[in-house]
Amino acid sequence: GNSVTQMEGPVTLSEEAFLTINCTYTATGYPSLFWYVQYPGEGLQLLLKATKADDKGSNKGFEATYRKETTSFHLEKGSVQVSDSAVYFCALRFSGGYNKLIFGAGTRLAVHP
Amino acid sequence: NAGVTQTPKFQVLKTGQSMTLQCAQDMNHNSMYWYRQDPGMGLRLIYYSASEGTTDKGEVPNGYNVSRLNKREFSLRLESAAPSQTSVYFCASSAGGTADYEQYFGPGTRLTVT
Repeated sequence: GNSVTQMEGPVTLSEEAFLTINCTYTATGYPSLFWYVQYPGEGLQLLLKATKADDKGSNKGFEATYRKETTSFHLEKGSVQVSDSAVYFCALRFSGGYNKLIFGAGTRLAVHP
Repeated sequence: NAGVTQTPKFQVLKTGQSMTLQCAQDMNHNSMYWYRQDPGMGLRLIYYSASEGTTDKGEVPNGYNVSRLNKREFSLRLESAAPSQTSVYFCASSAGGTADYEQYFGPGTRLTVT
């Protein structure tokens, strides 16, 4: 079946460190891929997305590239801030049909000064 | 503009008790969703409502009922709570029910069933 696997957290980094959160997927077909972020006490927000192979999504200094050959969509940021502390969810969705998102388990990021 | 709101934020129930989780959106969206999130797992879809007056089962509907009260509100009811329903529940909405539309999420309700 279709699924998303994320690296387990928590990920703890110092401010200005480089961030990578791994995400791989299993899918029968060619889904769109997403990263959502959940800040403490808030709902999930769309961070970035990519709709086809080799697309790069980017937002707020975060980037992720849709790699069909490795079925991956790893999230990266060159220099994290304390305000980036949150839970990050990778997800996929197929076009056509209803609006069904399939989520990974989430990765908690803690950035300290 | 509050977006998607959920009440309550926290709830503790005893096994067998019933309760309704409330969700409202002020974005004039047509579609609404209920998810649950369990430790070590991603969000899983319980029920969704593609448009006012319609509801459909998602991935994990057993033990739940829903009501699309009007365009703004979509409630989730647990008729007889079980410990397996201990979870964090998220409501979401989107302008349309097809895969072209972004979903907007509420802050969640943390439910514990003892």
